Amino acid sequence: GENVEQHPSTLSVQEGDSAVIKCTYSDSASNYFPWYKQELGKGPQLIIDIRSNVGEKKDQRIAVTLNKTAKHFSLHITETQPEDSAVYFCAFHPAGYSTLTFGKGTMLLVSP
Amino acid sequence: DTAVSQTPKYLVTQMGNDKSIKCEQNLGHDTMYWYKQDSKKFLKIMFSYNNKELIINETVPNRFSPKSPDKAHLNLHINSLELGDSAVYFCASSQRDNSPLHFGNGTRLTVT
Repeated sequence: GENVEQHPSTLSVQEGDSAVIKCTYSDSASNYFPWYKQELGKGPQLIIDIRSNVGEKKDQRIAVTLNKTAKHFSLHITETQPEDSAVYFCAFHPAGYSTLTFGKGTMLLVSP
Repeated sequence: DTAVSQTPKYLVTQMGNDKSIKCEQNLGHDTMYWYKQDSKKFLKIMFSYNNKELIINETVPNRFSPKSPDKAHLNLHINSLELGDSAVYFCASSQRDNSPLHFGNGTRLTVT
């Protein structure tokens, strides 16, 4: 079936550093790539998404880049803060499928 | 004014019992979903449902059944609960295919 690989599985950074999480997908026809943040005891929340007609999208300290040729997309968080600590999931929407397929998640820990 | 709400938040029960989890969304979305999150945080689609079509992940045992009394509700019934059913179950909704998912805060099911 269609899948997406997400790396790293855990990421520890110091407050103020940048963090990058990368996902590689299998279906070259995919056209929608969201990122979700899950805090403890809560459901995943969409933080940013990108569609295949653009290569980069930015929203304050977070950005997503998409390389369709290489079939990967990345989440970039700059000037990390302790409240950025959470589990982050990438997802993609394979063409012909009505549901999102999620990566296995990255636990980000930002130390003060 | 919670967008996607599910009850109960915690559910502890014994093997062999039958239980239900309720989900409601007030976003006016057309499609609702159930996801299962295991102890390793992996999110796996179980069902997606709109007023026309139920799509079942073929790996989901038939002890699990979604029931939708109307467009705003999608309940999950589980028969003959097993230890391996212990997980966090998330309800979600979206306006249409290829659009962002909105998740509830999950129901932690523990089967003893």
